[in-house]
Amino acid sequence: GAVVSQHPSRVICKSGTSVKIECRSLDFQATTMFWYRQFPKKSLMLMATSNEGSKATYEQGVEKDKFLINHASLTLSTLTVTSAHPEDSSFYICSAPHPGAGGVEQYFGPGTRLTVT
Amino acid sequence: GQQLNQSPQSMFIQEGEDVSMNCTSSSIFNTWLWYKQEPGEGPVLLIALYKAGELTSNGRLTAQFGITRKDSFLNISASIPSDVGIYFCAGFGGSGNTPLVFGKGTRLSVIA
Repeated sequence: GAVVSQHPSRVICKSGTSVKIECRSLDFQATTMFWYRQFPKKSLMLMATSNEGSKATYEQGVEKDKFLINHASLTLSTLTVTSAHPEDSSFYICSAPHPGAGGVEQYFGPGTRLTVT
Repeated sequence: GQQLNQSPQSMFIQEGEDVSMNCTSSSIFNTWLWYKQEPGEGPVLLIALYKAGELTSNGRLTAQFGITRKDSFLNISASIPSDVGIYFCAGFGGSGNTPLVFGKGTRLSVIA
């Protein structure tokens, strides 16, 4: 199956600092990638749609200035959590739709566990 | 946002038993997908269903796309301990690169 990687897998940062999370599609190109946030024992919450060559589309209630998204190439999207606070601690997961399946089958990265102290 | 109704929320079963879970929606979807998520990992795609009425298997897993296009079920036969995890259904109703709509998940525990 298609492979999507995320880096780092775990990060601990101090309150007020910024953290960058990378999402890469390793064996296919993705003009679109999705960023999710997941709280313990909850479902995936879509944060934003990352678009190569244009601005990201944010879901209602997600602060675009706090969660900066950059789709730098057809295989890389980054999510930067700016001025992180403890309430930003969560599991962040990206996904990319595989073009071979008409963009329907989304493949997920392994997730990034962010802890803000 | 829109969500699918997935049930049951959790299940505790004995090893070797069969498992069934389902998802329903008030709106029509063109594609149904089932994912499995293990602790600390991202979801992994198990089965994708593209046609109403379609029945697809992947090893001990079988999933069906409901005739009305508003529901889908996933069966796991002869469960084993490694089946433990959270199973999510997802619906796709738009054009390419549209976000999926996810159910809230079914947490499966298998007692050896």
